Amino acid sequence: SQQGEEDPQALSIQEGENATMNCSYKTSINNLQWYRQNSGRGLVHLILIRSNEREKHSGRLRVTLDTSKKSSSLLITASRAADTASYFCATSRGGFKTIFGAGTRLFVKA
Amino acid sequence: EAEVAQSPRYKITEKSQAVAFWCDPISGHATLYWYRQILGQGPELLVQFQDESVVDDSQLPKDRFSAERLKGVDSTLKIQPAELGDSAMYLCASSSSTWGTGPFYEQYFGPGTRLTVT
Repeated sequence: SQQGEEDPQALSIQEGENATMNCSYKTSINNLQWYRQNSGRGLVHLILIRSNEREKHSGRLRVTLDTSKKSSSLLITASRAADTASYFCATSRGGFKTIFGAGTRLFVKA
Repeated sequence: EAEVAQSPRYKITEKSQAVAFWCDPISGHATLYWYRQILGQGPELLVQFQDESVVDDSQLPKDRFSAERLKGVDSTLKIQPAELGDSAMYLCASSSSTWGTGPFYEQYFGPGTRLTVT
């Protein structure tokens, strides 16, 4: 079974708006990553946050991690049509086995 | 920019036939992963290699799936015989992480092989 669960399953917004996706997981982790997948393509790594970090930024992306609640959020600011994709959170523990959630499908309308 | 290569990109086969997928990771990446992704779901790890050794194949259906990475570089995933339920995207990824030690590095994914079993 998959450890990470993203919420919402699907999100539709207008270009220029912010998009927030959430991820919850069940067991302790070493790190959490977010990936993007365009339709029918491989995944692209966006950002990695370690268990001792609470927030990271990368360009228009902001990720937070709350290990006490076993949850993370990905914020995409000033969204663009090109941000339309599926977004997955993935968690890793000892040994570096990575478990992916089911993803949030984001649609940005121009 | 270095990329993970996979072939073929698309494969259509009849059930009970054998299929094989190939992956060439980014040069120098010791860790190689094979994932299966069913439409609408996230990737599921099938097998993870550290150099030529399998470090996790707990989710690999070993009665019909096999994977090898003989020289610790490229890898082959085989299904024999294929079943209708094997229709999915098969993704290969590589990472410079070393199993169980040191810092964790992100995974780089190939474009995937879309398998359709008829």
